Amino acid sequence: DTGVSQDPRHKITKRGQNVTFRCDPISEHNRLYWYRQTLGQGPEFLTYFQNEAQLEKSRLLSDRFSAERPKGSFSTLEIQRTEQGDSAMYLCASSLQGAEGYTFGSGTRLTVV
Amino acid sequence: AQKVTQAQTEISVVEKEDVTLDCVYETRDTTYYLFWYKQPPSGELVFLIRRNSFDEQNEISGRYSWNFQKSTSSFNFTITASQVVDSAVYFCALNTYGQNFVFGPGTRLSVLP
Repeated sequence: DTGVSQDPRHKITKRGQNVTFRCDPISEHNRLYWYRQTLGQGPEFLTYFQNEAQLEKSRLLSDRFSAERPKGSFSTLEIQRTEQGDSAMYLCASSLQGAEGYTFGSGTRLTVV
Repeated sequence: AQKVTQAQTEISVVEKEDVTLDCVYETRDTTYYLFWYKQPPSGELVFLIRRNSFDEQNEISGRYSWNFQKSTSSFNFTITASQVVDSAVYFCALNTYGQNFVFGPGTRLSVLP
């Protein structure tokens, strides 16, 4: 499979717990992006990496959120002390420099109870 | 600031009707890309079209067509002879310099048999 893979597809967690999501981009893509989509809304940009460098963070990315891409390949997004407002679909995307081949994964749906 | 507006929240049509989804965007950049994505109930974002700001030619792909007008900052999407399988949420999105997307709020299309 040469698409963008996200794991897990679904996660249910109790408020206050930490969660971590993983994204495996298309192998030759040097850029990786995280988006959040709440119910009834379009996806909103969270952060992006070029190789292993995190180049931009949205104001939506509170200090409870941290993203890493340690070797410039897969990325993880961790949410600490989850809140009910964190319930959303978390989408990962990857691309080459520019908008060429921009591809989204199927997302991880997080439910905080 | 960049913004994408999709004024139609929900549209319902009967199968075989034509339907147009509106998209209006705002950007100060002279180089940008416009996209349409389809999001079926399964949640993944399905790429439909990309158009760069220097190419105002309208495009037709099967039952789908797109009308890009820079003068009115619009990038409308028409489905001809709609089918039940077209039921989904459709997002218009703006991307500049190949970085993060700004999505509109989406239009939920229901095609009734």
